[in-house]
Amino acid sequence: QVQLQESGPGLVKPSESLSLTCTVSGGSISSFHWSWIRQPAGKRLEWVGRIFASGRTDYNPSLSSRVIMSVDTSKNQISLNLSSVTAADTAVYYCAKTVVPSVLGAFDIWGQGTMVTVSS
Amino acid sequence: DIVMIQSPLSLPVTPGEPASISCRSSQSLLFSDGKHYLEWYLQKPGRSPQVLIYLVSNRAAGVPDRFSGSGSGTDFTLKISRVEAEDVGVYYCMQALHAPYTFGQGTKLEIK
Repeated sequence: QVQLQESGPGLVKPSESLSLTCTVSGGSISSFHWSWIRQPAGKRLEWVGRIFASGRTDYNPSLSSRVIMSVDTSKNQISLNLSSVTAADTAVYYCAKTVVPSVLGAFDIWGQGTMVTVSS
Repeated sequence: DIVMIQSPLSLPVTPGEPASISCRSSQSLLFSDGKHYLEWYLQKPGRSPQVLIYLVSNRAAGVPDRFSGSGSGTDFTLKISRVEAEDVGVYYCMQALHAPYTFGQGTKLEIK
């Protein structure tokens, strides 16, 4: 059974870059597609972007100028880099295994999430 | 982007009673393959979201049959036939037709 574990700095200063890692266990990272999804406190879920098994990426247009997603197959990790952060980027960030097309549910496995606060 | 609107946003329910949540999309979620790419997720308190329903009416593995989904085009409904205490949490509809995937505002179900 695939399991996901997000990790990151917890606190990031405004205008700096946020870097998160999602470690995958129980399966090969190169066999699946992956998404990052975030949730500001008390707000709806927001899809950040996805990276396909091929390495192709899709980003939410609202964030695309600041987002880079990548995979490290040697470590079985997915990475998210979000540049020029502001307080609006404060959220719980989830990584999720992504099924495309979504014939069994788009996000069938989620990590437990990691909280990121943007503050000086 | 496809906008997803849910109602109600708060839903107090007595155990054993039914519950219903509506979700409307800003455009049809019908794809050329004849399927509607509408999903429902439940986020229990302190937990990550989990998929409940996909393709409008298909229950994900392990989801009790008291949960059902229906709808077509732009209007969809999630129903719980008899609410149990373990059903508390926030329910989100989500469109998986086109990236960016988009979610509704969430409906918080609580027990009376």
